[in-house]
Amino acid sequence: RKEVEQDPGPFNVPEGATVAFNCTYSNSASQSFFWYRQDCRKEPKLLMSVYSSGNEDGRFTAQLNRASQYISLLIRDSKLSDSATYLCVVSPSGSARQLTFGSGTQLTVLP
Amino acid sequence: NAGVTQTPKFQVLKTGQSMTLQCAQDMNHEYMSWYRQDPGMGLRLIHYSVGAGITDQGEVPNGYNVSRSTTEDFPLRLLSAAPSQTSVYFCASSTLRGGTYTEAFFGQGTRLTVV
Repeated sequence: RKEVEQDPGPFNVPEGATVAFNCTYSNSASQSFFWYRQDCRKEPKLLMSVYSSGNEDGRFTAQLNRASQYISLLIRDSKLSDSATYLCVVSPSGSARQLTFGSGTQLTVLP
Repeated sequence: NAGVTQTPKFQVLKTGQSMTLQCAQDMNHEYMSWYRQDPGMGLRLIHYSVGAGITDQGEVPNGYNVSRSTTEDFPLRLLSAAPSQTSVYFCASSTLRGGTYTEAFFGQGTRLTVV
């Protein structure tokens, strides 16, 4: 089993739709979680950190469920400019010493 | 702020040639790492370092060497380039806070083609 797994995608949604991505992680001792956005052939960029209580940034909401070991990203009122690949990232604890990236979920917002 | 700087941005190599991809960060981050990304694929970790003088292998280390003589620099060496190493390479850095890593900052990538 991969340490971090994401919805395979691709997700094709119309403008204005709400879309949600999930990401599961296997290390129960993981401490920090992030969502990144990657545009085609560009470097990944931080979209938002994920806090235990959940957090919101405009149209984006991130949730963490430690009991079930998953994080989620909800995008409301999708825009064409939201089309990208979304990566979840898990920060280790204990003996693990590397950031672990999911393979990404591709989103295309259609006009 | 420069952040993470990768050079070169583009490179074409012939099979068997060697080269070094440069990565430098000016944020005093302990953690630095190299990833490769093939078309339509996710990031795969090649090597990483948690501080000067300390390096470790990631998921796909074969054919690559790294060293970390300073906090700022983390070069990636291709020993004998092969067409299978054609990819986009990203360098990233992060720092520890409260016992866990903060978000990673990425360089702009190096697009390498081996012919």
